[in-house]
Amino acid sequence: KAGVTQTPRYLIKTRGQQVTLSCSPISGHRSVSWYQQTPGQGLQFLFEYFSETQRNKGNFPGRFSGRQFSNSRSEMNVSTLELGDSALYLCASRPTGKAEAFFGQGTRLTVV
Amino acid sequence: AQKITQTQPGMFVQEKEAVTLDCTYDTSDPSYGLFWYKQPSSGEMIFLIYQGSYDQQNATEGRYSLNFQKARKSANLVISASQLGDSAMYFCAMSPRRGGSNYKLTFGKGTLLTVNP
Repeated sequence: KAGVTQTPRYLIKTRGQQVTLSCSPISGHRSVSWYQQTPGQGLQFLFEYFSETQRNKGNFPGRFSGRQFSNSRSEMNVSTLELGDSALYLCASRPTGKAEAFFGQGTRLTVV
Repeated sequence: AQKITQTQPGMFVQEKEAVTLDCTYDTSDPSYGLFWYKQPSSGEMIFLIYQGSYDQQNATEGRYSLNFQKARKSANLVISASQLGDSAMYFCAMSPRRGGSNYKLTFGKGTLLTVNP
């Protein structure tokens, strides 16, 4: 069974631009969540989607948004990029009714 | 709110020896889950082991075991017979037990484990 796939793996953007990251969950998993990892703040929860609905949201500004499609694939978007948005963005999927989440390899975003 | 504390920024262990990575937690939730993840330098977060708060037995997965002491609010990871490939950052995390609308993982700051030959 294929794992969680995130694309792209690496991304360089200029301050003020916007970016879209993609995540394909493990087949059959309907829950997808996103995390930001930085050296200063560690791993922080962004949001979780289940069956195309956002169920929970972390403490991030409105520039961070996401969505989930009917096939459970998810995208997250960051608008008006700031230097502080440079981070590893991790996506995780989990099976319904279970707590264990399985992560992808992450997208490393650099904002210059 | 849930909180995870990992007090060991770095640990060293000799190959083939056992090592314990410490994790304490705080939560007001009556039911919760505890996890350990491994993150090599490549960045991927690898799931190692899970313990539910109402599970009677400590979880084990191959060379990994979770020493769960509920009264002390600790969930230490024990790695037996360390291998060079175990060198990585290790994160302790917790979540509501089975999820629902408030599901999220709360992570500690991590412990960097180095296995010496």
